[in-house]
Amino acid sequence: AIQLTQFPSSLSASVGDRVTITCRASQGISSALAWYQQRPGKAPKFLIYDASSLASGVPSRFSGSGSGTDFTLTISSLQPEDFATYFCQHFTNHPLTFGGGTKVEIK
Amino acid sequence: EVQLVQSGAEVKEPGESVKISCKGSGYGFTSYWIAWVRHMPGKGLEWMGIIYPADSHTRYSPSFQGQVTISADKSISTAYLQWTSLKASDTAIYYCARAYSNVDWFDPWGQGTLVTVSS
Repeated sequence: AIQLTQFPSSLSASVGDRVTITCRASQGISSALAWYQQRPGKAPKFLIYDASSLASGVPSRFSGSGSGTDFTLTISSLQPEDFATYFCQHFTNHPLTFGGGTKVEIK
Repeated sequence: EVQLVQSGAEVKEPGESVKISCKGSGYGFTSYWIAWVRHMPGKGLEWMGIIYPADSHTRYSPSFQGQVTISADKSISTAYLQWTSLKASDTAIYYCARAYSNVDWFDPWGQGTLVTVSS
């Protein structure tokens, strides 16, 4: 199975900060990567597909990049509602797997 | 509005069985796949398997094959996840989520069903 490693596992940041989260795949997955946001007590929310395409309704401060094995999710200016846990997921083959998550906390 | 609405929380004892559900609305239920994802306390997300309600074609993660059964009733736009003999280690939140294909991203997700297994 393809393993996805996210880092950091957690970070502290302030409103207005630029935040970057990394997801590394154990083997090349082209651009078959998605990102999700999960607020406490809520279901995951779809943010990005195909590594860099923004899902409908997602604010433009979110962006994704990368291909092959290294991917990033960037929040250009952190907003109060962005404090949450972020997961990456590949969709290359079965079994589909997720990264371990990155918790973004308020500094 | 496309929605997946899951059944309520379950509290069971080890060895008991349970079947949780996920009802789709606002879209053609038989045109998409429904996946199940486990979220254990303090852990990451784990893909369990996926079903195509139109013909009930199902794929399982090797980690969950033989441990759970995924099914669907297209006449009522509902997918199911069931256990015949629960273990304490099955305690988790279980999410259903829609996908365009069986190898795809997930959108939207159900609200989650907490299954607690304790004696």
